Amino acid sequence: DAKTTQPPSMDCAEGRAANLPCNHSTISGNEYVYWYRQIHSQGPQYIIHGLKNNETNEMASLIITEDRKSSTLILPHATLRDTAVYYCIVRVSSNAGGTSYGKLTFGQGTILTVHP
Amino acid sequence: AAGVIQSPRHLIKEKRETATLKCYPISRHDTVYWYQQGPGQDPQFLISFYEKMQSDKGSIPDRFSAQQFSDYHSELNMSSLELGDSALYFCASSLAAAGSPLHFGNGTRLTVT
Repeated sequence: DAKTTQPPSMDCAEGRAANLPCNHSTISGNEYVYWYRQIHSQGPQYIIHGLKNNETNEMASLIITEDRKSSTLILPHATLRDTAVYYCIVRVSSNAGGTSYGKLTFGQGTILTVHP
Repeated sequence: AAGVIQSPRHLIKEKRETATLKCYPISRHDTVYWYQQGPGQDPQFLISFYEKMQSDKGSIPDRFSAQQFSDYHSELNMSSLELGDSALYFCASSLAAAGSPLHFGNGTRLTVT
């Protein structure tokens, strides 16, 4: 799986948008970008994932550049409860048989601190 | 919908004892993953199972073993426990479909004294 690079920490004011960048310049054509977050000692929480197109769900938006070498996770209106470690992870979409059971490899994420 | 269920939530064992952690995946999920997270560290992949067969293996000590049963739940067995095994252990499950995300449980905190 391709390696990702994230800033070690970021701050955001409550109510403002939090934009978390991720670099994955060696991503392959069959690799998805996943975002997870982990609030202290809880299990990692799935946020969103995408392959080529931008994606949006009730939690966040994912913007993937056209060359797929970087992406940005956007939390539109950050709250204090969004304070967490955010992980950007690249994972192969499927194996030769069409199934997908590849692991997620967690690297250094971004510690997002939302301030009142 | 119910998420991934792990039991017990907390476990205290002494050195050289054994421990068994259980994981109940989300309904219809056929793949289970185990992760270990030490204090101040990122989650580290241990082992995974797809359709009851081991699908991948990470940095799992030989003292540990795991299996996935016919109902898709999984158990992580840990023997000859060491102080360094104290950690959070997470289980995740997913559908083996292209792009399907992993969903994690809230973990078992193992303390070895």
